[in-house]
Order: sequence, then structure tokens, then C-alpha cells
Amino acid sequence: GAVVSQHPSWVICKSGTSVKIECRSLDFQATTMFWYRQFPKQSLMLMATSNEGSKATYEQGVEKDKFLINHASLTLSTLTVTSAHPEDSSFYICSASTPRGVEYGYTFGSGTRLTVV
Amino acid sequence: KQEVTQIPAALSVPEGENLVLNCSFTDSAIYNLQWFRQDPGKGLTSLLLIQSSQREQTSGRLNASLDKSSGRSTLYIAASQPGDSATYLCAVLIQGAQKLVFGQGTRLTINP
Repeated sequence: GAVVSQHPSWVICKSGTSVKIECRSLDFQATTMFWYRQFPKQSLMLMATSNEGSKATYEQGVEKDKFLINHASLTLSTLTVTSAHPEDSSFYICSASTPRGVEYGYTFGSGTRLTVV
Repeated sequence: KQEVTQIPAALSVPEGENLVLNCSFTDSAIYNLQWFRQDPGKGLTSLLLIQSSQREQTSGRLNASLDKSSGRSTLYIAASQPGDSATYLCAVLIQGAQKLVFGQGTRLTINP
């Protein structure tokens, strides 16, 4: 149980275009999801907290106009990288707390490798 | 500000050895600590979660301990196998927040 599905697993896009990444909770409802970014051989950096039905909370230094987050349902959160540039190339991972609550840990998606050319 | 450090950054050992990965955190006000495994280009797989009131958790060949007062956790892997090769990340959940703070990870290689 508590599976988070992320799609696509990899995407290549041209500079200046936008890319949407989906994160779905398959067998539970997730009122809160989290988006992380990971550079090669580095740890995960929290970008934003996605709350169902309300605006996302962004971490300091993350451009909210560039990384648009939508959490319109209890099972789906999307991250759209707008006007992507090569420096946005990275590994993006989403997560959600397990149905039993945050104190029982988090489950993560399989990640999306974004390459901007 | 909570900071999580993992030592060593990389570790290479022959198959069959027992090994210990270390994780330290600066603020003891944590809700819990979670160990993850990440294979190259993949997401995170949860291995063990230790609540702040617990001292250790075990799953198969893995044992994780937590000493909250000293800000330390260890992940013990018994009888290591090549399939254990991966990056191991520890993360703490800050009290009063939903945020996980991650360490930089330990890249483990088990040589056949």
C-alpha cells in the first residue's frame, strides 16, 4: 500500500518550452505532497509543499512562477517547469506522507529525469 | 536550522562484510528518522523508520539505531551483498513541521 506514481520517468525538452510532471497517490488520498529536486550526486532539496485545494508553499529561493504546482485533487499533484532552460535539468521527485500520517513516514515516487536542450 | 550529515560519503567493501553507515543531526527536536535507499536514476525506497521514542528498528539484515540526545543514528547492514550497492540516505522529520531534512547520502559499493 501507499504507492506514489510519478510520470514521466524521463523527458527531454527544448529550451523555452514547458514540461509537466505528474505525481499520483495510487491507493490512498494525499492532502499534502512534496516536490524535491536532486542534482547529480547530491541530496534532495525540498522545493515546495503542495496542498490539495490551496496554494503551494515554496521554499526560500524557489521561483514560484517558474515551478508551477497544482494539487487539484486528493490523488494528483503536478509540477510544471515553465520556460525551461538547461540549468533546470535535474532529477525531480515527489513524495507524500503515508495514510497513517506523517509520523509513520513518507513514500516517494520513482522520479523524473528532466533534460533541457 | 536542522542539518543532517552522513559519513562516509562513499564506502566500498567486499561482499559478506558487516558495515555501519552513520547519520548525525544538529537539532534533537525530531519527530522521527527515516533511512532510504536510492538506486541510480531511481526514486527513494524506505528501509526503516525510527520514531523519536524508539531506540532501534530491524528489518531482515538491516538494523537502525537512534540516539536522539546525541543526534546520531546508525544503519547496520549484516552480511553485505552486491545487491546492497546503492546510495543510502537518512532524513529527519522536524517536530512541528512536515518537512524532511536529508543528509547527503552514503554511496555504498559491495564488491563480489
